Amino acid sequence: TQLLEQSPQFLSIQEGENLTVYCNSSSVFSSLQWYRQEPGEGPVLLVTVVTGGEVKKLKRLTFQFGDARKDSSLHITAAQPGDTGLYLCAGVRAGSYQLTFGKGTKLSVIP
Amino acid sequence: EAGVTQSPTHLIKTRGQQATLRCSPISGHTSVYWYQQALGLGLQFLLWYDEGEERNRGNFPPRFSGRQFPNYSSELNVNALELEDSALYLCASSFMGFRNQPQHFGDGTRLSIL
Repeated sequence: TQLLEQSPQFLSIQEGENLTVYCNSSSVFSSLQWYRQEPGEGPVLLVTVVTGGEVKKLKRLTFQFGDARKDSSLHITAAQPGDTGLYLCAGVRAGSYQLTFGKGTKLSVIP
Repeated sequence: EAGVTQSPTHLIKTRGQQATLRCSPISGHTSVYWYQQALGLGLQFLLWYDEGEERNRGNFPPRFSGRQFPNYSSELNVNALELEDSALYLCASSFMGFRNQPQHFGDGTRLSIL
């Protein structure tokens, strides 16, 4: 059983469209992080959310942490080809130092 | 400031051989983490080292082992290699003691078992 479930697994959209990807769990997390990974490279941290209900914006990317700290979402406005990549959510459960990853959402933005 | 560096970039081995992968953390980081990223399985936690000690290990057999040196760099050793060990091995580093400190990743070592 995957601790963090990401959906959708694959997403292919046209440039300019909006999209949302989800990261869900039945466990409570003290923090959740979002990474983007491009082929041949390691994951790069986009954001860390730590407070239930927290919303963070990074240019066209909006990240939200659920009120109960069990889920998170990433919304991209007006997607661009440069947004193409594997988006990974990762969380640290309460009482743990270990970071657990979801399997990721593979996003393709077509020009 | 240099990021996390890993070597070698690629490594090709045959079944039964042993592999050694190396990682240098970001300056000032004391914790080093190792992950395996195999096709279809996502990032799986392997090992966590801090201040030279193994702090936690994931659900991997004992033939996966490692160590952390006094300068905080780390080695991952995989003995008796099997075909299913083929994967991207990622190293990350962070400050220890701050649960919400992010982990910064290197670009990985691609291990291929023939």
